[in-house]
Amino acid sequence: DIQMTQSPSSLSASVGDRVTITCRASQSIENYVSWYQQRPGKAPRLLIYTASSLHSGVPPRFSGSGSGTDFTLTIDTLQPDDLATYYCQQSYSTLFTFGPGTKVDLK
Amino acid sequence: EVQLVESGGGLVKPGGSLRVSCVASGFTFSNAWMAWVRQAPGKGLEWLGRIRRWSDGGTTDYAAPVKGRFTISRDDSKDTAHLEMNSLTTEDTGVYYCATEVGALDKWGQGTLVTVSP
Repeated sequence: DIQMTQSPSSLSASVGDRVTITCRASQSIENYVSWYQQRPGKAPRLLIYTASSLHSGVPPRFSGSGSGTDFTLTIDTLQPDDLATYYCQQSYSTLFTFGPGTKVDLK
Repeated sequence: EVQLVESGGGLVKPGGSLRVSCVASGFTFSNAWMAWVRQAPGKGLEWLGRIRRWSDGGTTDYAAPVKGRFTISRDDSKDTAHLEMNSLTTEDTGVYYCATEVGALDKWGQGTLVTVSP
């Protein structure tokens, strides 16, 4: 199985900050990474697919980059609405796997 | 409006069985690959498996922890996907989500809670 790791596991940031979350795969997965946001008590929501493509309806302050084994989710100008846990997920393998998540809260 | 609505969750004893369902609306269900994802209390997301559309063979794939115990099926006449769970243990407790799969998991239901407890 392809293992996904994320760092940091949690972070505190202020409104207006730029936030960066890193995801690493245990082997090359080309650009087959998606990012999800899960607000407390809610279902996950797709933000980014194929590493850098913004899903329909997602604000442009979210962006993704990377290829191979290292990927990044960036939130420009953090908003209070962005309080959530963020997960990466690989779709390179037939059997998908998620990263452990990064919890973002507000200072 | 696209909607996925899960149902069928509840309390079941260890060793028991349960079937949860996912009813779709607002899109052509028969064209969709459907996946199931769960989340144990306070934990992260775990992909469980998928079923392809019939034109792609209608075949299934499962994650190792549930392979042989869980079965995913679909009824396109009812726009419904099912997750049949057998030999349940306390480790299977969590919220179970269905989602459409197009490489990524792009539409999600609200989830249904399954609690496995003596």
